[in-house]
Amino acid sequence: DTAVSQTPKYLVTQMGNDKSIKCEQNLGHDTMYWYKQDSKKFLKIMFSYNNKELIINETVPNRFSPKSPDKAHLNLHINSLELGDSAVYFCASSQVASGAYEQYFGPGTRLTVT
Amino acid sequence: QQPVQSPQAVILREGEDAVINCSSSKALYSVHWYRQKHGEAPVFLMILLKGGEQKGHEKISASFNEKKQQSSLYLTASQLSYSGTYFCGTDNAGNMLTFGGGTRLMVKP
Repeated sequence: DTAVSQTPKYLVTQMGNDKSIKCEQNLGHDTMYWYKQDSKKFLKIMFSYNNKELIINETVPNRFSPKSPDKAHLNLHINSLELGDSAVYFCASSQVASGAYEQYFGPGTRLTVT
Repeated sequence: QQPVQSPQAVILREGEDAVINCSSSKALYSVHWYRQKHGEAPVFLMILLKGGEQKGHEKISASFNEKKQQSSLYLTASQLSYSGTYFCGTDNAGNMLTFGGGTRLMVKP
C-alpha cells in the first residue's frame, strides 16, 4: 500500500500547454503539500492545504492552481507551461498542519517542458 | 529564509562518522531532517522540537541548540545505505518547512 501516490511519474510537454498532476494519500492525514525541486535539488514549498482549505501559498505564479476535492487528494494544474517550470514536483502529507509532525513524500512527478 | 547546511558534500569510508550542520537566521519552532536517494522522494529521519522533544529513527541522533538556532545530524559507523542527500527543514512559526540546500553524502566501501 503506497502511503502517498502521484500521477503521472513523468510528464513531457511543450511550452504553452496546460497539464495536471494528481496526488492521493491514504494515511488519513489532514494536511497536504506541493513542493518543487529544481535541477540543483533545492526543495521549495509551493502550497499547503489543511482539510481542503488553502493555508500556504508561497509566491507561486498564478499559472499554478492547486485544488483539493477532499482531504485525501490534492491536485496541481499548471497553465501555459514555461521552460522554467521543468522540475520534480513532490506531493507530501502530514498528520496536521504543524512543524511538530513529519511529512511523508510521494514519489515525485518529473516535469520536462520543451 | 533558507537555512544554511554544511558541509555541502562529504565522502566517507564505511564505518566512519560524519556530522551535518543546519543553521537558521530566525528563531526555530522545530527542525526536521530528511534523506533523499537519487531519483527517490525525501524520507523522514528526525524532528527536533523547541523545548527538547525529539521524534525519529532510533539509529539516528541529532541535536538542537535553540539559542544558536542550529541543529546537527550525527551519522555514526556509516553504512553504504547512508549515501544520499540530507536536507534539514526549519519551521519558524509551527506550520511550514523551509529546506536547506542539502548535504550530499557518499559512503564508499
